[in-house]
Amino acid sequence: AQRVTQPEKLLSVFKGAPVELKCNYSYSGSPELFWYVQYSRQRLQLLLRHISRESIKGFTADLNKGETSFHLKKPFAQEEDSAMYYCALSMEAGNTGKLIFGQGTTLQVKP
Amino acid sequence: EAQVTQNPRYLITVTGKKLTVTCSQNMNHEYMSWYRQDPGLGLRQIYYSMNVEVTDKGDVPEGYKVSRKEKRNFPLILESPSPNQTSLYFCASSFIGGTEAFFGQGTRLTVV
Repeated sequence: AQRVTQPEKLLSVFKGAPVELKCNYSYSGSPELFWYVQYSRQRLQLLLRHISRESIKGFTADLNKGETSFHLKKPFAQEEDSAMYYCALSMEAGNTGKLIFGQGTTLQVKP
Repeated sequence: EAQVTQNPRYLITVTGKKLTVTCSQNMNHEYMSWYRQDPGLGLRQIYYSMNVEVTDKGDVPEGYKVSRKEKRNFPLILESPSPNQTSLYFCASSFIGGTEAFFGQGTRLTVV
């Protein structure tokens, strides 16, 4: 069955430290992978998608098909990065109507 | 402003009392979905719709109904709510072929 796994419920780092939020998936086809972020009292919003290969707010994520991973990285964490982060998978390119989400990781950046 | 709007934001109800959570989007999106968010489980899809009068079950559809009579609206109906449906609910919409799903603000439902 298709699944997205985020092994860490909580990741706590100090400001300026590197951050890596882990995401592993199981799907035999060619998935489309996303990272969504939910800041306190705000709605869930797209952070980045693997196809665009861009850096958003200093975050990057590379799809590793061999390891079936899509880890989110940032070299220097900022306090405003504190939020809940969700990794999500779509089994069909262009079908963002049916997303499979991981359990979420809360990132806490301490001053 | 382009957005997905859910109502109500907060709701406390009793077991067995039918309720409807509304969702509306003003972006002319084809896809609309409902998710529930529970601690440790992330977001799980309840139902989704590809267009008017086209709906399909997600991963956790039991105890829920939906309808898509108009493109902009996708209400979630709980005919006989039970305490295990206490959760935070999100509606989302997107274009077919789009790159992003847009989410509502969430509805926190408590069933006692």
